[in-house]
Amino acid sequence: LAKTTQPISMDSYEGQEVNITCSHNNIATNDYITWYQQFPSQGPRFIIQGYKTKVTNEVASLFIPADRKSSTLSLPRVSLSDTAVYYCLVGPGAGSYQLTFGKGTKLSVIP
Amino acid sequence: DVKVTQSSRYLVKRTGEKVFLECVQDMDHENMFWYRQDPGLGLRLIYFSYDVKMKEKGDIPEGYSVSREKKERFSLILESASTNQTSMYLCASSFGPTSTDTQYFGPGTRLTVL
Repeated sequence: LAKTTQPISMDSYEGQEVNITCSHNNIATNDYITWYQQFPSQGPRFIIQGYKTKVTNEVASLFIPADRKSSTLSLPRVSLSDTAVYYCLVGPGAGSYQLTFGKGTKLSVIP
Repeated sequence: DVKVTQSSRYLVKRTGEKVFLECVQDMDHENMFWYRQDPGLGLRLIYFSYDVKMKEKGDIPEGYSVSREKKERFSLILESASTNQTSMYLCASSFGPTSTDTQYFGPGTRLTVL
C-alpha cells in the first residue's frame, strides 16, 4: 500500500489560493489519488480524484506530476467555510479492497 | 442523494459491555466500511464488506467483529468494550470497492467507554 504524507496543519487568509501537497513515493502503477474533506462532527466528503496531470472540478484542482510521487490539491480563493481537514487517499483502481486514508491536513482559514 | 445513517450520534458504555453500532445505506451499494477516527491518527479502516455475509479485515480489526446479513446494513460489534475503544466511528458505503469509487460517509458515532 502506498503510504501518504501530508502537512499536519496549514493556515490561510480568506481569498487566498491554498495548495496542500501529499507525498506518496511508493505509489503503484494502478493507484489513483483521491482527496476528501471533513468538517467538524461530520463524515468525510469526496472532493476530487485523479490519476495523472491535472483534474479540475467546481470545488478544486488536483495537480499530479509525471512521476506521480506527489500530488497537490489546490483550493482557489478560500473562504471561512473551507476550514476543514483534508485527506489524501492513494489506492488501486482495481484488484484490491484495501483502502487507507492519510492522517489529514487541518486547514484553518483566517478572516 | 446517497444517505448513510448510523444508529447513534453519541453512545456511552461501560468496560466489558457488548456494543453494537449499526449503519444503513439507501443506495444499494455493494461495499460498506467501518473506520475509527482518533486525533492525530486520521481515519483507520477496521473492516469492510464487499457483499452480504462477506467481510475483510482492515488495518485494525483486533477487538472488533462485523455482521452483514442484509445488503443495506453493516454492523460493527465490540464484543467486550475497553477504554481504548473510545473513539469516533464512521461508516461508509460505495458502489465499487476501490479508491476510484466515491465513499459516502455517515455522520459518525462518538463512543465513550468508561
